[in-house]
Amino acid sequence: QSVLTQPPSVSAAPGQKVTISCSGSSANIGKNYVAWYQQLPGTAPKVVIYENNKRPSGIPDRFSGSKSGTSATLGITGLQIGDEADYYCGAWDSSLSTELFGGGTKLTVL
Amino acid sequence: QLQLQESGPGLVKASETLSLTCTVSGGSITSSSYYWGWIRQPPGKGLEWIGSIYYNGNTYYNPSLETRATISGDTSKKHFSLKVSSVTAADTAVYYCVRSGMAYDYWGQGVLVTVSS
Repeated sequence: QSVLTQPPSVSAAPGQKVTISCSGSSANIGKNYVAWYQQLPGTAPKVVIYENNKRPSGIPDRFSGSKSGTSATLGITGLQIGDEADYYCGAWDSSLSTELFGGGTKLTVL
Repeated sequence: QLQLQESGPGLVKASETLSLTCTVSGGSITSSSYYWGWIRQPPGKGLEWIGSIYYNGNTYYNPSLETRATISGDTSKKHFSLKVSSVTAADTAVYYCVRSGMAYDYWGQGVLVTVSS
């Protein structure tokens, strides 16, 4: 069981907005940056948000990130079929001295 | 354009040592701005961080694997390696090599390693 907790699945219609939560503790999300990764079927993960709310070059502004206390949220607006993927949050845990990942959330665009 | 490529046996026998190499092209593992590491993903499951190496040779490991995992780097040959000893079926996974700056921003395509009994 992952120390960072994500919902197993979320779904929404094309064009709509969805949010994915990631809950941790004061040792990880509460103290360190959060990143979000998108994993399309059969491919390696790709970072879509880093340092809580920054987008790498090439990631559309439909993707956003936020953090409050020991929780983080990934938001995706204007959903597209191509956004269907597994999404993982990640953060360093200062107590365990290890990088942690959430269990992943499968996004379905209906 | 930076590229990472994993290589190594796709099948390892239980109790033996898994060995993988990550070749870096379009960049160098000697930069002080980045860590270089390994992340694995068992089939159908989530991501697990294995460990990282810094340009000065310092290494950092997931405590759950620390006694079995070893990461080393060869700056002259522009690659770094992973060894996991005493493997079991639980070590069957896709293994990714990664670059870490503010996040894991570059990933190899991954290599599936299956542990057979």
